[in-house]
Amino acid sequence: DTEVTQTPKHLVMGMTNKKSLKCEQHMGHRAMYWYKQKAKKPPELMFVYSYEKLSINESVPSRFSPECPNSSLLNLHLHALQPEDSALYLCASSQDGGRTEAFFGQGTRLTVV
Amino acid sequence: AQTVTQSQPEMSVQEAETVTLSCTYDTSESNYYLFWYKQPPSRQMILVIRQEAYKQQNATENRFSVNFQKAAKSFSLKISDSQLGDTAMYFCAFMSGGSQGNLIFGKGTKLSVKP
Repeated sequence: DTEVTQTPKHLVMGMTNKKSLKCEQHMGHRAMYWYKQKAKKPPELMFVYSYEKLSINESVPSRFSPECPNSSLLNLHLHALQPEDSALYLCASSQDGGRTEAFFGQGTRLTVV
Repeated sequence: AQTVTQSQPEMSVQEAETVTLSCTYDTSESNYYLFWYKQPPSRQMILVIRQEAYKQQNATENRFSVNFQKAAKSFSLKISDSQLGDTAMYFCAFMSGGSQGNLIFGKGTKLSVKP
């Protein structure tokens, strides 16, 4: 199994809503990542979890709150988002970070209205 | 800080022909990894090929090969016998060996394979 599964695939939310994006992998990877990708741009790193601990937060606004309940799951909790937060949110995982390639999910297309 | 530059925003190639995508990078580190990722309209980022900086031999994966010029900090991707399914955005990416595994991407090259 070399899959990273993200749900939902599409999400439309209002600026006052609270929603969560979910990511799951069963490859035994110990590093997991959230990237944000705007249209026609490359992905930009948001957060890195290494061995279930947050190791990198790239100055992301607090309206984005990551959570790693266990080594297979990664969540991104969303609250009070702005329309400019509309983007493709990609989850990725790698075996141990720093030496191995990352495998990506198909992403969640988020639209904030 | 590391940077990755892809100077070709768009390219096209006829089916069955060969195309080369360019990538240059800037780093002061000696331990790093380079990748090419493909992102088709389905959105998923798919690893095409990987190169460790300490390896002199260029990586190959079936129809995909790289020309890694470490001194010139160049990492180009050659696609041989192009297929319609190769149509995608291609991103060159850098990863520091001392990092947590975070990737630094170039701006991408949109490749269209024409029948």
